[in-house]
Amino acid sequence: QVQLQESGPGLVQPSEALSLTCTVSGDSVSSNTYYWAWIRRPSGKGLEWIGYIHNSGSTNYNPSLMRRVTLSLDTSENQLSLKMNSVTAADTAVYFCARLTPLRRTGLTYYHSLDVWGQGTTVTVSS
Amino acid sequence: DIVLTQSPLSLPVTPGEPASISCRSSQSLVRSTGYIYLDWYLQKPGQSPQLLIYLGSNRASGVPDRFSGSGSGTDFTLTIDRVEAEDVGVYYCMQTQETRTFGQGTKVEIK
Repeated sequence: QVQLQESGPGLVQPSEALSLTCTVSGDSVSSNTYYWAWIRRPSGKGLEWIGYIHNSGSTNYNPSLMRRVTLSLDTSENQLSLKMNSVTAADTAVYFCARLTPLRRTGLTYYHSLDVWGQGTTVTVSS
Repeated sequence: DIVLTQSPLSLPVTPGEPASISCRSSQSLVRSTGYIYLDWYLQKPGQSPQLLIYLGSNRASGVPDRFSGSGSGTDFTLTIDRVEAEDVGVYYCMQTQETRTFGQGTKVEIK
């Protein structure tokens, strides 16, 4: 059974960088089948897409975050990572990692959905 | 960006009664293949979100058949035939036509 577990600092100073890690068990981040994603839920708000990464190096980012966010994979540790620069209070949120799985062939490509999620890690940006 | 607008934002429900949530998109979510690039997710209290519906109307594995998705073009609906107490939480639509975006969420609670 695939499990994802986020980890991070909990508290980050404003203007500093945030680094989060998601450890995957029961699957491999180096698999070419799946994409690996990050989503967050800011305090009092709904879900917000951050982006995804694939073992091929393909990435996709939320345009509003892409100048500050970098996603990466560590195949030796079977982890995905998120780094966000210059954080502010608006980045206070619960951060989730999730797996994008191909569920249906749709013409020449496959349709992917977020079928496995981590439990989330809370990040507070405050001095 | 494609903007998704959900309504209502809060939905008190009675167990055993039907319930529906609307999701309207600022652009069509239907590809030339006819597929609808829309998912529905439910975040139950204290849990991570879970996939309910993909491609507009396909139930994910293990999802009860009281949940159904419908719609076309820019207007979509998630319907619960007979609400159960375990269905409370926040429901989100998410478009996959372009870089993914979520609706604001609809909080479903028991009356």
